[in-house]
Amino acid sequence: SQTIHQWPATLVQPVGSPLSLECTVEGTSNPNLYWYRQAAGRGLQLLFYSVGIGQISSEVPQNLSASRPQDRQFILSSKKLLLSDSGFYLCAWSGAGVSNQPQHFGDGTRLSIL
Amino acid sequence: RKEVEQDPGPFNVPEGATVAFNCTYSNSASQSFFWYRQDCRKEPKLLMSVYSSGNEDGRFTAQLNRASQYISLLIRDSKLSDSATYLCVVNLLGNEKLTFGTGTRLTIIP
Repeated sequence: SQTIHQWPATLVQPVGSPLSLECTVEGTSNPNLYWYRQAAGRGLQLLFYSVGIGQISSEVPQNLSASRPQDRQFILSSKKLLLSDSGFYLCAWSGAGVSNQPQHFGDGTRLSIL
Repeated sequence: RKEVEQDPGPFNVPEGATVAFNCTYSNSASQSFFWYRQDCRKEPKLLMSVYSSGNEDGRFTAQLNRASQYISLLIRDSKLSDSATYLCVVNLLGNEKLTFGTGTRLTIIP
């Protein structure tokens, strides 16, 4: 069966520090991968998605970036965090090659910027 | 107009009651529909897909009305564990992205 791992679960970072969040998927090949952010009490905002290695689509302008160095690895990064980057970051995957599949989420990373 | 709209609630419902939520979507080309539930400070989890003919999973029934562009979720004999935020999700044919509603918050009262 497929599993998705996301870490760390909680992170507290000072303003201006770098960020690296990692997500890996097991039990499937060539998944579609997604990064979302959810501000407190708000809906999900899609940040990036990827349909293959090295293929990244950005949904909103921001100071975050994403990379997919391996088929089942998706990384969210920032060189200098802002206060507004605080939130709940969620990685998700869906099956590739078949339309209209649901997405499955990791446990999330709760990021607080001080 | 938002692509997916939900009544944010909160819905406070006594245990054992039946509760229903609606969700409207704006794009008539939408092809796939899902309901997710999200517990407080947790990730969203797929509750059920919504099929054209309507479908049931235990106490949960989902229905799709393409003409009026809405989907619904009915929960019968509600349990305390049903307390959560329910997210309506819509997908266009061939699109890798899902569009999430902002959710309807449900609290089941003992």
